[in-house]
Amino acid sequence: DQQVKQNSPSLSVQEGRISILNCDYTNSMFDYFLWYKKYPAEGPTFLISISSIKDKNEDGRFTVFLNKSAKHLSLHIVPSQPGDSAVYFCAASEGAQKLVFGQGTRLTINP
Amino acid sequence: NAGVTQTPKFQVLKTGQSMTLQCAQDMNHEYMSWYRQDPGMGLRLIHYSVGAGITDQGEVPNGYNVSRSTTEDFPLRLLSAAPSQTSVYFCASSSAGQGYQPQHFGDGTRLSIL
Repeated sequence: DQQVKQNSPSLSVQEGRISILNCDYTNSMFDYFLWYKKYPAEGPTFLISISSIKDKNEDGRFTVFLNKSAKHLSLHIVPSQPGDSAVYFCAASEGAQKLVFGQGTRLTINP
Repeated sequence: NAGVTQTPKFQVLKTGQSMTLQCAQDMNHEYMSWYRQDPGMGLRLIHYSVGAGITDQGEVPNGYNVSRSTTEDFPLRLLSAAPSQTSVYFCASSSAGQGYQPQHFGDGTRLSIL
């Protein structure tokens, strides 16, 4: 039973437009939600997080939205740049830094 | 700035062999974790540690052992390798501050079991 799900394996967006990546979860006890970015042959790198008591967090071009009633979060990237092409993982924290990851979405930014 | 260092980067083993994946961090982080990533799946937690001398099981601990004798090092031991353990293994560390503290990942060890 997968507690964190990313239902889109891939997404293609034109450079300069908005990229929206989605994630659903089932466990109401998660206290933080995060997004990690991963390039080939590298480890994931932290992008942005949001506490379960908030509904929006913004950091530059990246904004994460949390809808607790729908158990859904999304990552918005505006404007999208070629360097944003990577695999994006949604994850949720169960405390003590224990992370549960989604399957990942491969984002491709086209010129 | 080394961050989290994993060795080796690649390894091929035969079924039944044992080996240790090394992980070291130089950020004085209290928390360290091991994850595995399989094709089409996200990272899954194997074992984690909240400090030297303290370890606990994650989602997929069977077939793996860990110990944490120092803050810096958190080795992962495969006791008797099986083909199902073919995967990419990632080590991560984070501090124990207030709120969410981002985990810093190493670049992974790609392990094949024949």
